[in-house]
Amino acid sequence: QEQLVESGGGVVQPGKSLTLSCAASGFAFSKFAIHWVRQAPGKGLDWITVISDDGDTEDYADSVKGRFTISRDHLDNTVDLHMTSLRPDDTATYFCARGGTYSSFDLWGQGTLVTVSS
Amino acid sequence: DIQMTQSPSSLSASVGDRVTLTCRTSQHINTYLNWYQQKQGKAPTLLIYAASNLHSGVPSRFTGGGSGTHFTLTIASLQAEDFATYYCQQTYGTPLTFGGGTKVEIK
Repeated sequence: QEQLVESGGGVVQPGKSLTLSCAASGFAFSKFAIHWVRQAPGKGLDWITVISDDGDTEDYADSVKGRFTISRDHLDNTVDLHMTSLRPDDTATYFCARGGTYSSFDLWGQGTLVTVSS
Repeated sequence: DIQMTQSPSSLSASVGDRVTLTCRTSQHINTYLNWYQQKQGKAPTLLIYAASNLHSGVPSRFTGGGSGTHFTLTIASLQAEDFATYYCQQTYGTPLTFGGGTKVEIK
């Protein structure tokens, strides 16, 4: 069964760091790009970053560029999102998603909630 | 950045109704347009990719159309399980962007 499972969310103070992880199973992990998308409470979907299938290419939304870093481990089949200098407006549920045909997001994790608050 | 505008932002409909949701983009994106459904408290799921292609396992009552800057998602006969929020997304260029969503509610 194809699956993505996020972990690592929680409450963190402004200015601190946090790392989220996305664990993949049931499919050929190395053949797919992986994205992170976030959703602030009661708001819409906001794409934040992608890493290519081979891990050589990354791209970021301006809102997180320079603060967030995406990486992948092909031995563990995981994608990490390292977040630094966190701000209250980073509060959101963070989803990882698989990049499929036409870069559509054809498989999503269940999400992990990050709350940035003092 | 490519701006995405969905309309209406919400609608009320009855089971069995035919509904059409619209998504407009600020520049031409060919058919690099996807549709997602999100139910309350759940992750989104892919419905339509490349404007008109039904994702595996999605009921045939869902139809996508359009190209360029104007796209539609039609639900031929609304079912109880279809009450949700629908998002369009462009994958023509980064940053990938989503529309603000259309919430489909029960009348």
